[in-house]
Amino acid sequence: DVKVTQSSRYLVKRTGEKVFLECVQDMDHENMFWYRQDPGLGLRLIYFSYDVKMKEKGDIPEGYSVSREKKERFSLILESASTNQTSMYLCASRGEGNNEKLFFGSGTQLSVL
Amino acid sequence: AQSVTQLDSHVSVSEGTPVLLRCNYSSSYSPSLFWYVQHPNKGLQLLLKYTSAATLVKGINGFEAEFKKSETSFHLTKPSAHMSDAAEYFCVVSHNFNKFYFGSGTKLNVKP
Repeated sequence: DVKVTQSSRYLVKRTGEKVFLECVQDMDHENMFWYRQDPGLGLRLIYFSYDVKMKEKGDIPEGYSVSREKKERFSLILESASTNQTSMYLCASRGEGNNEKLFFGSGTQLSVL
Repeated sequence: AQSVTQLDSHVSVSEGTPVLLRCNYSSSYSPSLFWYVQHPNKGLQLLLKYTSAATLVKGINGFEAEFKKSETSFHLTKPSAHMSDAAEYFCVVSHNFNKFYFGSGTKLNVKP
């Protein structure tokens, strides 16, 4: 089965710090996604990538950037963390073609103090 | 534009009784619709999907959902709830499989 691994389960950072959230998938999927999950808001798409070095903004990209240097790895970067970025961050991947199923990591709970 | 509305933020049922989690969608195109489940401290898992084939879709763990275009609904049901069904459920709509729009979630509580 596909495995999507997020490097940290819990992370605590200070306002203004640069934060890297890492995600690795092991099934050679072309498409990878970063979501944030907040109570009562569901999941909101931050960025997605459909190929190495390719990226597209999602619905809430402000304050975030991403990097996809290798197919299996998709990194989310908070250039200068702020308290309103405290959230659960979920990474997902999807295969090509009509394989619509998203495979999710376990999530990283980020707290910005 | 696409969006999803989950009508109940919390649903509580007794074990052995039916489950109904309601979802309405809005889509300018023929949508693909999904239900995902998230158990505490676990990743989201696909329960079932509708992608323009049969309107009644069967998923894992005894769940099913019916696509009703006239009502723009995709409600999730299960005849008999089990304690292990307690989780948060998300209804999702997609047009092109790169943008998936999630509902706000419904937390299902199952009482013994």
